[in-house]
Parts: sequence; C-alpha cells; structure tokens
Amino acid sequence: QQQVKQSPQSLIVQKGGISIINCAYENTAFDYFPWYQQFPGKGPALLIAIRPDVSEKKEGRFTISFNKSAKQFSLHIMDSQPGDSATYFCAAFEETSGSRLTFGEGTQLTVNP
Amino acid sequence: DTGVSQDPRHKITKRGQNVTFRCDPISEHNRLYWYRQTLGQGPEFLTYFQNEAQLEKSRLLSDRFSAERPKGSFSTLEIQRTEQGDSAMYLCASSPLATFFATQYFGPGTRLLVL
Repeated sequence: QQQVKQSPQSLIVQKGGISIINCAYENTAFDYFPWYQQFPGKGPALLIAIRPDVSEKKEGRFTISFNKSAKQFSLHIMDSQPGDSATYFCAAFEETSGSRLTFGEGTQLTVNP
Repeated sequence: DTGVSQDPRHKITKRGQNVTFRCDPISEHNRLYWYRQTLGQGPEFLTYFQNEAQLEKSRLLSDRFSAERPKGSFSTLEIQRTEQGDSAMYLCASSPLATFFATQYFGPGTRLLVL
C-alpha cells in the first residue's frame, strides 16, 4: 500500500513562477518528513526536511508547509529556475520502525525558460 | 569525490541469470541501505545494515535476493534467478549513526534490465 501519496505526477512552470508539490500520509507515527531532489542519472539528494511539530520551514527558495491535522505537507519552490527541473520526492521516516524512508511516487518538475 | 559509489551503473541480463551489484558507502558511515526504484515510482526500501549486521529486511526482499556487508564497509546485493519484474534501478545509500534522523546519501544507482 502507498503510505505517502504525492501529487501532481508532473508539473510545468515558467521561470520565476512558484512550483507547488503536495503530499499526504496515513501513518501518524511518521515523525520526520524530508524532500529529495533527483536529477537524471543521479541518486536522490536531500533538499529540505521538517518535523511535524513545525508548521513551516524555509531554506532559500524552498519552503515546506506542514499541516499535521490534515496529514499533509507541501513543497513550495519560489522563483523557479530551469536548473530546478528534476524529479522531487517527498518521504517520511518513523524512528521506531527502523531507518527506512517511505517515499512518495515523485513529481517531475519542468521549469521553462 | 567521496560520495557513495555503485558498480556497475548498468546491467543487462537474461532471465534466470544471477547478478551482483556493489556499493561503496561514504567512508566512516556506519549505516548502509538498499532501495529499489521502478520507472515513475519513488525508491522502495529493501534492507539496511548497521556496520556488518543486517538489521532490517523488507518483504520486497524475496529469498532470491541476498545482501551482505562482510566487513562493515562495502556491500553487495545479489539477485538469483532473475525475473523480468526485477528490472529496476537499485539504489544504495549510506548515513552516519544518529540518535534520530541521519541524512541518507544516495549513490547514482545500478540500472538492471532483465530480458
């Protein structure tokens, strides 16, 4: 079963626009939510992460918004650039279940110049 | 570059053959993970090691799959009697020990195609 659901599957944004990717989860035991960025031919790389006791975290142009009651979180990329074109994965981590990450299905972002 | 390395990067094999992949983690990282990623999907956890001990295995890891990390350094993932459904990208990641979440650093993956 898919424990972390991600949408949209693909996203096209103009340069300078805002990219928004959404994720929802079922398991309330998840206690850490990282986002990964993956370029073609590369492995995923950690972009930004948030704990559920925080509603928002910002790092540069990247912001995570977290809604614990709705069990949803989202990634906002401000002033999107062509170099941001990649596949983005949300993920969830549950400390008590070991060290596994549970990933969403991924969003392929294309930023047009 | 001292990142996670994987070898080979690509592997084409015929159904029924055995294949072995290698992962070299970032030096001094105690934990090593294997994930499988199929086209259009996120990585799925397979197994992880802390030093040489294999601490967790996913139910995705059938008895045709075996992973080792004999000296707590590099790791190998072997698939016996490959099936077409094994075609995927196999990702390795490593992390240091941490009391809570430790960033997992991924390698570039080994892409397997079973014909």
